[in-house]
Amino acid sequence: QKEVEQNSGPLSVPEGAIASLNCTYSDRGSQSFFWYRQYSGKSPELIMFIYSNGDKEDGRFTAQLNKASQYVSLLIRDSQPSDSATYLCAVNNDRKDSNYQLIWGAGTKLIIKP
Amino acid sequence: EAQVTQNPRYLITVTGKKLTVTCSQNMNHEYMSWYRQDPGLGLRQIYYSMNVEVTDKGDVPEGYKVSRKEKRNFPLILESPSPNQTSLYFCASSFRLGSGGALGTQYFGPGTRLTVL
Repeated sequence: QKEVEQNSGPLSVPEGAIASLNCTYSDRGSQSFFWYRQYSGKSPELIMFIYSNGDKEDGRFTAQLNKASQYVSLLIRDSQPSDSATYLCAVNNDRKDSNYQLIWGAGTKLIIKP
Repeated sequence: EAQVTQNPRYLITVTGKKLTVTCSQNMNHEYMSWYRQDPGLGLRQIYYSMNVEVTDKGDVPEGYKVSRKEKRNFPLILESPSPNQTSLYFCASSFRLGSGGALGTQYFGPGTRLTVL
């Protein structure tokens, strides 16, 4: 059973602090990893993707991938109230026998307190 | 503008009345997918399509049908809707990475909120 696990939260973080969101996955064959943000009642939108071990930075966002430990995280620096949303982790493996499906976590609700 | 469109955005219907939710993308993506989202359950895949005339079941296909006659369109059909199909539905499309077939970023439609009475 391929699984992606996220803490459902809510995770409450003061404005201006660093928010840290974590995701673990069970399939060692996983090759690409995505973080999506979803506001209530809206569609998910891509924040970042990462393929290689290590850190990837984009503005206030940093994705971290550790394939040996099978986790991927998202750091949000200088958190803003507009960052309050649910963050979805999605994991992809590129094996043909799995039809290249994305496995989705249930999401972590993040609340940034002014 | 690159986008995925869904129609209708909101629909209230009654049990047993067949309905179709349309999905169209203008990005020439090979891959398209339907999800439903319910509180506390995250995104659950209903059906997906790797290309024209190629469709397959996701995690929760019961009670749904799809077709992929054209690359840009991927309608979701509920032949006999029931109240347990009340949900928020998303269509998504994606390109495939290189020749291996792994999925790239998924682009989502705005969602269709369906209520079955």
